[in-house]
Amino acid sequence: AQKITQTQPGMFVQEKEAVTLDCTYDTSDPSYGLFWYKQPSSGEMIFLIYQGSYDQQNATEGRYSLNFQKARKSANLVISASQLGDSAMYFCAMSPSGDSGYALNFGKGTSLLVTP
Amino acid sequence: ETGVTQTPRHLVMGMTNKKSLKCEQHLGHNAMYWYKQSAKKPLELMFVYNFKEQTENNSVPSRFSPECPNSSHLFLHLHTLQPEDSALYLCASSRALGQGAHEQYFGPGTRLTVT
Repeated sequence: AQKITQTQPGMFVQEKEAVTLDCTYDTSDPSYGLFWYKQPSSGEMIFLIYQGSYDQQNATEGRYSLNFQKARKSANLVISASQLGDSAMYFCAMSPSGDSGYALNFGKGTSLLVTP
Repeated sequence: ETGVTQTPRHLVMGMTNKKSLKCEQHLGHNAMYWYKQSAKKPLELMFVYNFKEQTENNSVPSRFSPECPNSSHLFLHLHTLQPEDSALYLCASSRALGQGAHEQYFGPGTRLTVT
């Protein structure tokens, strides 16, 4: 069984600063995918970034980067130059294979508040 | 603009009512999902469909009945719900099994309140 752990229930960061949101995972599958989603107060889940277990390089998407440390089973999200609009819940998620069509297992989430 | 739409956005129903949630995706995907998000809990999978066939059922009570008539539409039929079923119900779509690893795109959700 797969498990996602997000140990930070809430985080604060000042505008324009960088912030790291932690995510650790546990799986026995050799192939898996890791995802980060953002959920604003409106409720919609917004995809941010994806990392495959066999990817050699850390994923980056604009201001988002994923610090993938396979041996430590961690997949931390780094947001650079935080903006007020980044205030939201952030969820780390995992899929059980390197393929689509499977359910994602989500962590409990981290609430991020960006202050002026 | 999201490629996944859900209706209604808000629903209040009594425990004896029957209602349906609708999800439609315009992304050309072949996999669709229902998730439940209760307060203070992580998202829980309910059902997965690949190419209109149900491939995962996360031990969901029979008062929730999914229907996937085609790859673009997904329904969740509700009957004799309990107050603890009040939650945000999120629909998602993605490429299907065998089509490589890709993210799931979510709709805005239906906020359900059972009275």
